This record gives sequence, C-alpha cells and structure tokens, in this order.
Amino acid sequence: DTAVSQTPKYLVTQMGNDKSIKCEQNLGHDTMYWYKQDSKKFLKIMFSYNNKELIINETVPNRFSPKSPDKAHLNLHINSLELGDSAVYFCASSPTGGNSPLHFGNGTRLTVT
Amino acid sequence: QKEVEQDPGPLSVPEGAIVSLNCTYSNSAFQYFMWYRQYSRKGPELLMYTYSSGNKEDGRFTAQVDKSSKYISLFIRDSQPSDSATYLCAIGETSGSRLTFGEGTQLTVNP
Repeated sequence: DTAVSQTPKYLVTQMGNDKSIKCEQNLGHDTMYWYKQDSKKFLKIMFSYNNKELIINETVPNRFSPKSPDKAHLNLHINSLELGDSAVYFCASSPTGGNSPLHFGNGTRLTVT
Repeated sequence: QKEVEQDPGPLSVPEGAIVSLNCTYSNSAFQYFMWYRQYSRKGPELLMYTYSSGNKEDGRFTAQVDKSSKYISLFIRDSQPSDSATYLCAIGETSGSRLTFGEGTQLTVNP
C-alpha cells in the first residue's frame, strides 16, 4: 500500500492553462504539505495543513491554491500556468507539525510549455 | 546567506569507500536534524533523525551533529552502488512547523 500517493505522476500542459494535483495519505497523519523541487533539487515548502487548517503559506503566487477536504487529502490547484512553474511538486505528511519526519509521495513532474 | 548550506556535488566514489556528506546552518534555533535519501524520480525518504549533538548510528550510516559549530554530517561506510542517490539534510526549529532543506548532494558509487 502506497503511504502518500499523488496523481498525476506527469503533467505536461501549455502556458495559461489551469491544472490540479491530488494527494492522499493513508498513514493517519494530521499534517500535510506541498513542496516544490526545482531542477537543482532544492526542496522548498509551499503550504502546510494541519487537520484541514492552513498553517503555513509561504510566499507563493496566489495562482496556487491548496485545498484540504479532509485530513487525508490535500490538493493543489494552479491557475494560469507559467513556464517558471515547471518543477516537481511533492506532497508529504507527518504525524504532527513541528519536527516530525516527513513522508513524501513520489512527486508530480509538471512541465509547462 | 542561506539558512542551510550543502555542497551539491556531484560526488563520485568507488564501491567500498567511506562517504562524508555535510551541511552547515546559521540559525541557533535549529534543534532537529534529518537526512533524507532521494533516488531518481522518487520522493525523499527518511534515513536518519536526531535532535542532540553527537553521533547516531544505523547500520552503515552514522549521523553526526555538532551544535556548537552548526555542522552536521552523514557518513556512509562500505558504500554500495545502491547508495547512489541525492542526499538532503533537513533541519527544524524547536517550536517551528517547517523543515528547511539543504540543496542536496548527488552521490554516485561506482562498482
């Protein structure tokens, strides 16, 4: 059983389109995250939700909107995609916030053309 | 200055070598230290987690923390080709709710 699963695995789309990435965790964790990894492998946090409540919202364009329908799911919707949005987006979860180790999904590789 | 500095490599070693991977950090509030391993086209997976100065050993892996120097290391003994991956350090604050990652060091172990 996959602990943190993301869909789709690959996403190729044109500039200006709107797309969504879905994430589900079956670990019973309370906290979920979205991270962005650029081409240099640098992982940067975007958002964090604890039990459906937004607790971290980094300086991210407001074209990016997370949504957590329940504590096992965290989706990411991106409006008006730009070339610079091309990256790998990782969903992660942890049992609590703070400094609990993160469990990552295998990423969604987004390419904007 | 970045909060966490990590040499991105790439680092290439022969099989059996001892590998040393390092990160430095600037914020004294950082109290929790982790190492993640990331294989190509996969998500990072936790290797080591510690919150105190000193060494922590797990099989061929040893994590070392020196809070006075703000320096952490990961040692891999008897390195194997299967250890070829990117290694990321991650550091967290006591009361914070986020981890700050290093850039990652790309390691290749040659048979």
